[in-house]
Amino acid sequence: AQSVTQLDSQVPVFEEAPVELRCNYSSSVSVYLFWYVQYPNQGLQLLLKYLSGSTLVKGINGFEAEFNKSQTSFHLRKPSVHISDTAEYFCAVSGGTDKLIFGTGTRLQVFP
Amino acid sequence: DTAVSQTPKYLVTQMGNDKSIKCEQNLGHDTMYWYKQDSKKFLKIMFSYNNKELIINETVPNRFSPKSPDKAHLNLHINSLELGDSAVYFCASSQGTGTSGPGTQYFGPGTRLLVL
Repeated sequence: AQSVTQLDSQVPVFEEAPVELRCNYSSSVSVYLFWYVQYPNQGLQLLLKYLSGSTLVKGINGFEAEFNKSQTSFHLRKPSVHISDTAEYFCAVSGGTDKLIFGTGTRLQVFP
Repeated sequence: DTAVSQTPKYLVTQMGNDKSIKCEQNLGHDTMYWYKQDSKKFLKIMFSYNNKELIINETVPNRFSPKSPDKAHLNLHINSLELGDSAVYFCASSQGTGTSGPGTQYFGPGTRLLVL
């Protein structure tokens, strides 16, 4: 079975500052990892995913994440955030099937 | 063109009623899903269908019944609605799991259900 822990329920940050949203996972099999973003009153949109290969994954809107197998982590980073990045961010894991297990989400609030 | 669409966007109804939510995708995907997002934003898969066949059926009350008339549509029917059914329901679709891993899931805009 797989599980995901997002350690921070809320992350406040000033515009143009760097940000890191933390995600830890557990799995007894190979993992595939995802970050999704949900803007207010919208559905989820894929930011990036790790399936295999390079452990540093680049996604849309300037986000990137690093898969760290030894620390079972997949933290999301952005060097300089914008007001428009204010949203809910979800980390998700799959053990190789279509079933995604989502974390509880991190609310990123960017202040001017 | 909207990739994954859901109707209605909002649904307010009384306890005990029966209601349906419709979902359509025009991405040509083989797999479709229903998720429930509760008031704390927790997102949990309910069902998935692959080419009209039920693949994932989580521990969901049998008052919830998905129906897939074709691979572009996955509807959700809910009988005898309860207060606890109030949530946002998301439909999603993907190409399914291949040799390189799970396909990206594309989500609809959600249906906000409020049971009074």
